[in-house]
Amino acid sequence: AQSVTQLGSHVSVSEGALVLLRCNYSSSVPPYLFWYVQYPNQGLQLLLKYTTGATLVKGINGFEAEFKKSETSFHLTKPSAHMSDAAEYFCAVSDRRNQGGKLIFGQGTELSVKP
Amino acid sequence: EPEVTQTPSHQVTQMGQEVILRCVPISNHLYFYWYRQILGQKVEFLVSFYNNEISEKSEIFDDQFSVERPDGSNFTLKIRSTKLEDSAMYFCASTGQGVTGELFFGEGSRLTVL
Repeated sequence: AQSVTQLGSHVSVSEGALVLLRCNYSSSVPPYLFWYVQYPNQGLQLLLKYTTGATLVKGINGFEAEFKKSETSFHLTKPSAHMSDAAEYFCAVSDRRNQGGKLIFGQGTELSVKP
Repeated sequence: EPEVTQTPSHQVTQMGQEVILRCVPISNHLYFYWYRQILGQKVEFLVSFYNNEISEKSEIFDDQFSVERPDGSNFTLKIRSTKLEDSAMYFCASTGQGVTGELFFGEGSRLTVL
């Protein structure tokens, strides 16, 4: 069975500092990988995804993530945090063998950005 | 920009009552989902729906739950007899592209069972 682990339920950074949110997955075959963001009182919005090809993927709002098969990781980074980045971030996986796109989510990481 | 819409945004109900949560997916999408998020916990898959039938469901989705696409635009989640532990945020999602596609989520319906 697939699973996702996000290290750190809460991460706090200063404005302008590097953002690093960690995600590791467990899967018998390399899955499709996603990062979603949830702003307060809103639904989940896709930041970026990895399906095939280049392992470094760029998303919206300056975020990027790198798929590392050897480490079973898909960490999310942003070089310089902005106050507007404060939100909950979810890593998710889906089984590439399963047409239908069921996502398995990690427990989420709340990002706080200090002025 | 097309979006997934959900109603109601918040519903309070008594234990044992039936609840119907409604969703209007994006019009040309083919795959539909319900997820839930209990306060402070992860987002959990409930059910996926394709070609007018359930394609996959989780252990959570027991006989108390049902889904329906009654008219080609709405997608509903019914909880027949609500329990306290059903209190959660319920998210509807849709996609047109199956497993590699982006899931578009609604803003959620918060269900409070008293």
